[in-house]
Amino acid sequence: SQTIHQWPATLVQPVGSPLSLECTVEGTSNPNLYWYRQAAGRGLQLLFYSVGIGQISSEVPQNLSASRPQDRQFILSSKKLLLSDSGFYLCAWSVGDRGKQYFGPGTRLTVT
Amino acid sequence: KNQVEQSPQSLIILEGKNCTLQCNYTVSPFSNLRWYKQDTGRGPVSLTIMTFSENTKSNGRYTATLDADTKQSSLHITASQLSDSASYICVVSGNDMRFGAGTRLTVKP
Repeated sequence: SQTIHQWPATLVQPVGSPLSLECTVEGTSNPNLYWYRQAAGRGLQLLFYSVGIGQISSEVPQNLSASRPQDRQFILSSKKLLLSDSGFYLCAWSVGDRGKQYFGPGTRLTVT
Repeated sequence: KNQVEQSPQSLIILEGKNCTLQCNYTVSPFSNLRWYKQDTGRGPVSLTIMTFSENTKSNGRYTATLDADTKQSSLHITASQLSDSASYICVVSGNDMRFGAGTRLTVKP
């Protein structure tokens, strides 16, 4: 069966510090991978999606970046965090563009 | 303006009661519509998915309806339980995926 992992579960970082969130998927090959952010009380905002290794599409310009070094690994990064980067970050995978999305447990990021 | 609008924003009901959540969309072309349940601090979990030709789909006490002509969907929860307390998110896929802001449901004993 397929599983999706995210870590860390929670993170508190000072403004200006770097960020690295990791997401890995097991049990499937060549999935579409997604990073979402959910601000408190708000809907999901798509940040990045990837259809293959090294292929990243950005939906929203910001100080975040994403990389896909391996087929089932998706990393969200920042060189310098802003207060506005605080939120709940969710990784998801799907088979194809229209397939059902399966979400990871999420990372709660607080930038202080 | 968001292409997927959900109402109400929040809802409080008593345990055992029924409720209906609404989703109106303007996404075009239309491929499918999904309802997700998201517990606080967790990732969303899929409840139902409907394509253009499907009018209704059930998953236990959850029943989703779709009117593709009026571009409206509803999620009906029957005999609510405390564990139904969560945010319910409507997602419409066309050329891309559009997320509603969600309805926050609280079920009280």
